[in-house]
Amino acid sequence: GNSVTQMQGQVTLSEEEFLFINCTYSTTGYPTLFWYVQYPGEGPQLLLKVTTANNKGSSRGFEATYDKGTTSFHLQKASVQESDSAVYYCVLGGQGGRALIFGTGTTVSVSP
Amino acid sequence: GGIITQTPKFLIGQEGQKLTLKCQQNFNHDTMYWYRQDSGKGLRLIYYSITENDLQKGDLSEGYDASREKKSSFSLTVTSAQKNEMAVFLCASSIPPGQGGERLFFGHGTKLSVL
Repeated sequence: GNSVTQMQGQVTLSEEEFLFINCTYSTTGYPTLFWYVQYPGEGPQLLLKVTTANNKGSSRGFEATYDKGTTSFHLQKASVQESDSAVYYCVLGGQGGRALIFGTGTTVSVSP
Repeated sequence: GGIITQTPKFLIGQEGQKLTLKCQQNFNHDTMYWYRQDSGKGLRLIYYSITENDLQKGDLSEGYDASREKKSSFSLTVTSAQKNEMAVFLCASSIPPGQGGERLFFGHGTKLSVL
């Protein structure tokens, strides 16, 4: 079936450390993949989008790479700030009119 | 820009009670969604509506009804609230998924507590 797996439930870092969030997906074909971010008290919002055409996406210092071979879509940032504290969702794009499928989310906590 | 308004922000119910959550959007989007957010389980799709007269079940539709009253509004009803249930319900809208509508715009959520 269609699914997204984020094994890391919680990541705790200090400012300027490197962030890496693991995501793997299962589906047929080559869907568009997304990372959404949810700040406290708000709804999720799109962080970045990657298609098979470009294989990489970046936004606000975050980067994600689409690896069709390992069906992975990891998110990374070289140097985090306290303002990056949020929940990050890996999301499988809809195909044939199907709605998006969200992963379980990774809570990132960055201390100053 | 547009906005998604969810009412109420907080909802406290009794076991067995029927509870209704409302959502309005002024993006003029065709498609609207209801997701349930539980700690450690991410967002799970309850219902969505691709266009004004459409209703589709998500993976978590059992125990819920939905109604797309008009293009701008989408309601969700918890048919019988479960004791000690606690979750956040998120409404979202987009252009239709088959037309590249993969950027969802979310409201701030309705937090449900059942006593």
